[in-house]
Amino acid sequence: KQEVTQIPAALSVPEGENLVLNCSFTDSAIYNLQWFRQDPGKGLTSLLLIQSSQREQTSGRLNASLDKSSGRSTLYIAASQPGDSATYLCAPGGGGGNKLTFGTGTQLKVEL
Amino acid sequence: DGGITQSPKYLFRKEGQNVTLSCEQNLNHDAMYWYRQDPGQGLRLIYYSQIVNDFQKGDIAEGYSVSREKKESFPLTVTSAQKNPTAFYLCASSYLNTEAFFGQGTRLTVV
Repeated sequence: KQEVTQIPAALSVPEGENLVLNCSFTDSAIYNLQWFRQDPGKGLTSLLLIQSSQREQTSGRLNASLDKSSGRSTLYIAASQPGDSATYLCAPGGGGGNKLTFGTGTQLKVEL
Repeated sequence: DGGITQSPKYLFRKEGQNVTLSCEQNLNHDAMYWYRQDPGQGLRLIYYSQIVNDFQKGDIAEGYSVSREKKESFPLTVTSAQKNPTAFYLCASSYLNTEAFFGQGTRLTVV
């Protein structure tokens, strides 16, 4: 059964810092891996999707990498802003129906 | 506007009552999913469907039921057999093996 761990569980940084959020998963037989953002009391917003054949994906200030064989993914946030404050979730997808498995997330706070 | 609509946003259930949560998508996605989120826990899969008139149990299906009579709709019923239904429920959809999109969620509370 797939298990997902995200480190750190919480992070508080001053505005402008570059950040690295880590995700590890136990089953490398995945189709893809998705990173999401969740604001309090809201649904999930998709940030990046990395297919299993890809090594990384970029969108604006966000860059995600995937090392499928070692079961790791990293989300890099450049020049953090207060609006980046949210919980970040990674979810590898696999098995019949490409089911996503979630960790408990990294709660990020970016302060002025 | 394309997207996933969940309703209602808030729902209150009395003990022993069945309630149904609505999920509609206009993205023409084949697959739809229901997840449950509890404080301090990751999202857990309840049911999923890859095609109309077919669905499979996820990790925590007990006390829940679904139907998939139309491609765009995947309602979730929380039955009286679900002993701890208070949670945040999220619906998602995708083409198979591609990016998943989520609705804004329904918060269910037992009163």
